Amino acid sequence: EAGVTQSPTHLIKTRGQQATLRCSPISGHTSVYWYQQALGLGLQFLLWYDEGEERNRGNFPPRFSGRQFPNYSSELNVNALELEDSALYLCASSYGTDWDTQYFGPGTRLTVL
Amino acid sequence: AQTVTQSQPEMSVQEAETVTLSCTYDTSESDYYLFWYKQPPSRQMILVIRQEAYKQQNATENRFSVNFQKAAKSFSLKISDSQLGDAAMYFCAPLFGNEKLTFGTGTRLTIIP
Repeated sequence: EAGVTQSPTHLIKTRGQQATLRCSPISGHTSVYWYQQALGLGLQFLLWYDEGEERNRGNFPPRFSGRQFPNYSSELNVNALELEDSALYLCASSYGTDWDTQYFGPGTRLTVL
Repeated sequence: AQTVTQSQPEMSVQEAETVTLSCTYDTSESDYYLFWYKQPPSRQMILVIRQEAYKQQNATENRFSVNFQKAAKSFSLKISDSQLGDAAMYFCAPLFGNEKLTFGTGTRLTIIP
């Protein structure tokens, strides 16, 4: 069974640009979660999508947004990039039932110059 | 607010020995799940073990076991017969009712050959 996949592996952008990160969940999973792992800030919850809808959002500004497609894959968009957006962005997926285990992808390393 | 504390930033253990990583959390909820994840240098977040809060029996997964004390809000991870491949950052991550994992700050485990 294929795991969660993320692309690209690395992404380098300059301040003010937009970044798009992609995630494909495990087959059969309907929920996708995004987390940010920034140096010194630990792992923080960003967004949760289930069945195409945004279900929960972490304490991040509106320039962090995303969507989930009918095939349950997801995009995370970060607009007006700032230097502090440099981080590892981890995507996880689950079956979407209560308390379900989240399985993580390998992450996308975003560097903002 | 729900908080997670991992009081040991770094731990080391001799190969084949046993080590225990500690985690405490604070929540007013009665139903939740608890997870330990490991993150090796590859940065891939890997599930280690899961514990349902309503279960009194401690979860076990091969060489990994937990000591879950609900009243004390404590969830420690015991690794027996430590192997070189166990070297990683270990994160305690409760899953409360809002479907987002709340991560601790992590414990970096070093295995001494």
